[in-house]
Amino acid sequence: GNSVTQMEGPVTLSEEAFLTINCTYTATGYPSLFWYVQYPGEGLQLLLKATKADDKGSNKGFEATYRKETTSFHLEKGSVQVSDSAVYFCALSDQGGSEKLVFGKGTKLTVNP
Amino acid sequence: KAGVTQTPRYLIKTRGQQVTLSCSPISGHRSVSWYQQTPGQGLQFLFEYFSETQRNKGNFPGRFSGRQFSNSRSEMNVSTLELGDSALYLCASRANGGGEQYFGPGTRLTVT
Repeated sequence: GNSVTQMEGPVTLSEEAFLTINCTYTATGYPSLFWYVQYPGEGLQLLLKATKADDKGSNKGFEATYRKETTSFHLEKGSVQVSDSAVYFCALSDQGGSEKLVFGKGTKLTVNP
Repeated sequence: KAGVTQTPRYLIKTRGQQVTLSCSPISGHRSVSWYQQTPGQGLQFLFEYFSETQRNKGNFPGRFSGRQFSNSRSEMNVSTLELGDSALYLCASRANGGGEQYFGPGTRLTVT
């Protein structure tokens, strides 16, 4: 079945550092790919998405590119802020209108001032 | 527009009891999905409803069930609770034509 693997956390960075969180996937067909963020005590918020190969999703300074050849969707940000501290989840959904999202285990990011 | 709401936000139950959780989707959204989040297993898909019909189901025992009403509100029920059912239960809604899933804040269930 479909699966998502993302780098183990936790990740601790200083403010203004460069962030990369690796995500790779296994899927049949051509899934859509997502990054969700979860702040303490809250539900999930969609951070960015890409629906086909070579698409780049971006939001709030975060970027990720759908790489079909390496089955990857790595999350990057050039300069993190303390407010970016949260848990980040990589996910995929099947094409064809299925609602089911398959998530990675999550990566906890802590940014220190 | 109001977001996805879930009630109650916190719940404590005893082993063997049953529990019902409620989810109200964003107005106009007809699709509702449920997920279980635990530290060990992460986020796992429970079920998906669209127009009162279950469209997809995850790999959970029959103790977990759900339904959707004509106003798109959804409930999930867990019977004969086990300690391992302690989790954050998240509901998400989506517009009819597809697009982003919007998540609610979740219901934190603790089974003692």
